[in-house]
Amino acid sequence: AQKVTQAQTEISVVEKEDVTLDCVYETRDTTYYLFWYKQPPSGELVFLIRRNSFDEQNEISGRYSWNFQKSTSSFNFTITASQVVDSAVYFCALSDLNTGFQKLVFGTGTRLLVSP
Amino acid sequence: EPEVTQTPSHQVTQMGQEVILRCVPISNHLYFYWYRQILGQKVEFLVSFYNNEISEKSEIFDDQFSVERPDGSNFTLKIRSTKLEDSAMYFCASKAETQYFGPGTRLLVL
Repeated sequence: AQKVTQAQTEISVVEKEDVTLDCVYETRDTTYYLFWYKQPPSGELVFLIRRNSFDEQNEISGRYSWNFQKSTSSFNFTITASQVVDSAVYFCALSDLNTGFQKLVFGTGTRLLVSP
Repeated sequence: EPEVTQTPSHQVTQMGQEVILRCVPISNHLYFYWYRQILGQKVEFLVSFYNNEISEKSEIFDDQFSVERPDGSNFTLKIRSTKLEDSAMYFCASKAETQYFGPGTRLLVL
C-alpha cells in the first residue's frame, strides 16, 4: 500500500526566512511519481511539481526547490526567502507510474504561515 | 491556459437529498477523477474514470455515489441520498500527464 507522511502539521516563519517542508513516502512500486500541491486559503489545489522515481536530480524553480532522495524515501520542498503569499497548506502526494489511472495518495498536509 | 471548472462552488442540502456535482475537465484530457477533502483533513481519492467507465474506486465510493460523463464535456458526481458525513469539499481533476484540479465544490449536508 502507498502512504505519504508529512510530519509537520504547521510551520510558522517570518518573511524572508527559508523553510523546508518534509515528505516521506512508502510504496512497493519500483516506479512512481511524486508531487507537491499548494492549497491557498481560497481552497483550490495548485500543482507545483511532478517527479518520477527515475530522476533523483534536485529541481529549482525560482524560490522553490525540491530534494528527492530515494535512499530515505523523501521528497522535501524548500521555499527560499519566504513571502506572505506563500502562506498555504502544502500537500505531498504519490502515484504509481505503471498504469494510466494513477490515483493520487496525499499526505495530511503542512500548513505554512508566513508573517510579515 | 485551460483549466478544470466545477459547479456549483457551494451547495447546501438536506440529509437524504440527492446532489449532483458538475465538472468540466480540460478538453484534451482522457482521465478524470473525483476526490474529497473533509474540512481540515487530507485529500482522499474517490474514483477514477477512463474510456467511459470507472477504472478504480475507493472504499468511500459506495453505492450512494455514481459518476457519469453524459456528453463530451461534463463529468458529474452524484450522491443519491446525502448523509451528514458527506459534508466536504469535492474536487474534480483531469489528466493528460499530470492531474490538474478544479476549484472544488463545498458541500454542506444539514
